[in-house]
Amino acid sequence: KNEVEQSPQNLTAQEGEFITINCSYSVGISALHWLQQHPGGGIVSLFMLSSGKKKHGRLIATINIQEKHSSLHITASHPRDSAVYICAALYSGGGADGLTFGKGTHLIIQP
Amino acid sequence: KAGVTQTPRYLIKTRGQQVTLSCSPISGHRSVSWYQQTPGQGLQFLFEYFSETQRNKGNFPGRFSGRQFSNSRSEMNVSTLELGDSALYLCASSFQGTSNTEAFFGQGTRLTVV
Repeated sequence: KNEVEQSPQNLTAQEGEFITINCSYSVGISALHWLQQHPGGGIVSLFMLSSGKKKHGRLIATINIQEKHSSLHITASHPRDSAVYICAALYSGGGADGLTFGKGTHLIIQP
Repeated sequence: KAGVTQTPRYLIKTRGQQVTLSCSPISGHRSVSWYQQTPGQGLQFLFEYFSETQRNKGNFPGRFSGRQFSNSRSEMNVSTLELGDSALYLCASSFQGTSNTEAFFGQGTRLTVV
């Protein structure tokens, strides 16, 4: 069964800390997305990866295809980074274009 | 450039009724995907439309249907509503699909079935 596992489920950290959120998937994928969801429901796409590493501001996303694992890092975390971070994988084959989502990581950054 | 627009933002319906939700994608985007988000199940894929054709469908009953118009706007319909259909419904648009292009999400429609 195609699944996406995220850890940790909840994370509370102090402002300025380096944050890492992990995502594992069960079989080969064609793309992996990292999303951010704020209270109220709006979702923002942070990254789309199929290999390697991407960086945008204080956010870095990496993916290791062999280990079927991706990480999202936040450097110099800030209270405005508080949100739910969701990993979503697009599984290869069958012409499917529907994302399978992890359950999300609830991140709280305290001042 | 305008983002993805979903209407209405909030909706209350009674069991047994039907509902239609609308999604206007970013101009130039041909792919529109629909998702359901509930506290218990999280985010789940409903279906994806590309150039007016349903390209893929998730694991939802036939009461959930959709369509896409020539201007790429998409509608999602749920018939014979059940209490369990209460959820946040999100649509996302992308240029070609989530396999190779970034997805842009709307603010969602929060549906409450009473």
